[in-house]
This record gives sequence, structure tokens and C-alpha cells, in this order.
Amino acid sequence: GENVEQHPSTLSVQEGDSAVIKCTYSDSASNYFPWYKQELGKRPQLIIDIRSNVGEKKDQRIAVTLNKTAKHFSLHITETQPEDSAVYFCAASITGGGADGLTFGKGTHLIIQP
Amino acid sequence: KAGVTQTPRYLIKTRGQQVTLSCSPISGHRSVSWYQQTPGQGLQFLFEYFSETQRNKGNFPGRFSGRQFSNSRSEMNVSTLELGDSALYLCASSLYSSGANVLTFGAGSRLTVL
Repeated sequence: GENVEQHPSTLSVQEGDSAVIKCTYSDSASNYFPWYKQELGKRPQLIIDIRSNVGEKKDQRIAVTLNKTAKHFSLHITETQPEDSAVYFCAASITGGGADGLTFGKGTHLIIQP
Repeated sequence: KAGVTQTPRYLIKTRGQQVTLSCSPISGHRSVSWYQQTPGQGLQFLFEYFSETQRNKGNFPGRFSGRQFSNSRSEMNVSTLELGDSALYLCASSLYSSGANVLTFGAGSRLTVL
């Protein structure tokens, strides 16, 4: 089955700097790659997603890039703010998030230093 | 529009007991999936239901089961509880249209097995 590796497990950046989280996946049939943010004690919430027919997607300070050949995708957060502190999970699916559900990475704890 | 509702939010059981967790999806969502979240293993896919049919199951023992009702509400059951079953159990629902299938998570049911 699909396997998703996520790095780093912890990332500390100064407020205002950029943060990059990287994931690799194993199944070339995967076609949907969402990113979820989970604040302490709260549910995971989708922040951005990308389909395999797109190489990059942006939403304000957040962007995701996908390299299908290398089977890796990355989350980029610019101008980080204290409210960006959370655990971020990448995921992959071969059914667009349908029957096979999502295979998640182990998560990255993003710490924004004031 | 009401979100995904999970009950109970917290519960404590002892080894050998069984537990049933409930999930009410967002109105109109027909796909319901379940995930187990633990500090060590992260978010792991349990199973997915669509129109009362289990379409896929993750790598969990047969003690973990579920079902979906005609109104899309879903339940999962864990029998013969073990200490290692202590976790946050998250339910997610989705509309399941073609293409990217955005999953919306509930707040979870936190199970503690003593």
C-alpha cells in the first residue's frame, strides 16, 4: 500500500520567516495530496490540497508544490505568524480521497518563535 | 451548516470490554471514513463507508468493525479492548464528487483503555 514520509518532524522558525515541510509518497497511482493543520486539542483541518494534474497551488501565504516524477510534494508557508504554530500533516490518496481514505505522514510540529 | 459530530467525546474502558463510537456526517455527505490517531503512529486509516457499504479497510485486526446506516450516520466498534487501543478516533465525511474529495473531520472520540 501507499507509504508517506514527512520531514522534518519538528521545525522551529522565527516569526516572519518561511517554513517548508516535505513529503514523499511511494505509490505512483496517488493523485490527491491534501495538507491538514491540527492545533493542540483540535481536529485536523484542511488548509490546502493539490491534484496530480497540477504542479503548484497557492492560497495567500500558503503554497504546495508537487513533483510527480520524484514522487514528492512540499508545503510552503511564507511570512509565518504565531497562529501558524501547529502540527501539519501531509497525505496522499489513489482514489482522490475516496474509498482508500488518506495515507498520512507522521506530522511536522511547526513552532513559530516570536 | 452543522459539521461532523462524534459521540461520545471521551470515554474510559477496561481491557476486554467493547466500545461503540458514533459519527454523524455533514448533511448530504455520503462517504464516512474513520482514523485512529496516536502519538506514536500518527493518523491511520481504519475504514471507509459509502452508501452503507464498506469499500476499504486499513491494516487493523478484525476487532475493529463498523457500519453505516441509510442516513449516512456511521458507527465503529472495537471489541475485546487492549491497552494499545487507547487513542483519538476521528471520523471524517466527504461529499465524494469526482476529483478531489475533501475530507472534513469531527472533533474525535478519545478512548482510554485501563
